[in-house]
Amino acid sequence: NAGVTQTPKFQVLKTGQSMTLQCAQDMNHNSMYWYRQDPGMGLRLIYYSASEGTTDKGEVPNGYNVSRLNKREFSLRLESAAPSQTSVYFCASSADSSPLHFGNGTRLTVT
Amino acid sequence: AQSVTQLGSHVSVSEGALVLLRCNYSSSVPPYLFWYVQYPNQGLQLLLKYTSAATLVKGINGFEAEFKKSETSFHLTKPSAHMSDAAEYFCAVSDGGATNKLIFGTGTLLAVQP
Repeated sequence: NAGVTQTPKFQVLKTGQSMTLQCAQDMNHNSMYWYRQDPGMGLRLIYYSASEGTTDKGEVPNGYNVSRLNKREFSLRLESAAPSQTSVYFCASSADSSPLHFGNGTRLTVT
Repeated sequence: AQSVTQLGSHVSVSEGALVLLRCNYSSSVPPYLFWYVQYPNQGLQLLLKYTSAATLVKGINGFEAEFKKSETSFHLTKPSAHMSDAAEYFCAVSDGGATNKLIFGTGTLLAVQP
């Protein structure tokens, strides 16, 4: 009963390094999302994918790219990490018009 | 554009006291409204959702919320706080469309004192 699985759980990067955050869901959901959570700012949408093969920008897409590899997997890539991207990243999925199911997050620190 | 405002970034109550967490929304279309809870080092869990079926919505763990269109509010309440309720609570709004994107408030951290 995994739900939404995110890897890694923790990551430390140096400025300019790249990395990919992985997300997979086993609920056969069409839609998937990437949010970032920062203190006092709630969760902000980075990118989302309404269905396999489609992706769209959210509120804060700059500095990120995404890939909807298949229906299960939605990855988030930082090409050149910056300290401003230090955050907790959450992946979520949902069926049409149903509540979002969240993973447990990836804590990223960029030094 | 849709938005939600949560009044009070920190709320402290005594165990057994009423919990009231405030949320006001702004939406140009009938909204779908949600409350999520986040325990330390975990993801968000759905507490309850409003989708226009009934104005008083009951959720898990004894929480409920009332949709008041005239006040554009969706406040979260629980009659008697328990120590295990200590967490951060997020109100969120969606237009319920195919993309189902959620716009979150900034969160309210609830502390429960013994």
